[in-house]
Amino acid sequence: GENVEQHPSTLSVQEGDSAVIKCTYSDSASNYFPWYKQELGKRPQLIIDIRSNVGEKKDQRIAVTLNKTAKHFSLHITETQPEDSAVYFCAASIWDDKIIFGKGTRLHILP
Amino acid sequence: DTGVSQDPRHKITKRGQNVTFRCDPISEHNRLYWYRQTLGQGPEFLTYFQNEAQLEKSRLLSDRFSAERPKGSFSTLEIQRTEQGDSAMYLCASSLASASDAQYFGPGTRLLVL
Repeated sequence: GENVEQHPSTLSVQEGDSAVIKCTYSDSASNYFPWYKQELGKRPQLIIDIRSNVGEKKDQRIAVTLNKTAKHFSLHITETQPEDSAVYFCAASIWDDKIIFGKGTRLHILP
Repeated sequence: DTGVSQDPRHKITKRGQNVTFRCDPISEHNRLYWYRQTLGQGPEFLTYFQNEAQLEKSRLLSDRFSAERPKGSFSTLEIQRTEQGDSAMYLCASSLASASDAQYFGPGTRLLVL
């Protein structure tokens, strides 16, 4: 079955700098890659997603890139702000099947 | 509120007791998923429904766990003879029609087994 690895497990960046979180997946048939943000004590919330027919997608300060050949995808957050502090999860799903989540990256934005 | 809702939000039970959780998905969503999340981990897939049909159940799920979605709307997750290892956050999510549609999560039910 699908396996999703996520790195790093913890990331600290200065406010205003960029943050990058990387994920790899095992099944080349995976075709949908969402990213979720989870603040302490709250539900995971979808922040951006990308499908396998697209290499990059951007939404304001957040962007996701996908390299299907290497089977990895990344989340980029630019001009980080204190409210970006949270746990971020990548995930992957094979066509019409379930979603498998990575173990998460705890992002700390330092003042 | 048109989001996913779950009830109860918290449940404390003694080992060996049975518990049941409820999830109400977004009304037009056909897919409903159950996940378990422990501290420091990502949501772990348990099972999912397409309308009232349960399409897959995780191999990690013991026979003590059962889920239903009898009318294709709300779903229940029952844990029989609870064990301390069952303590976790149980999350429900729904999506429109498939796994490649955005999933929206409920607030979760936090279970503590004493």
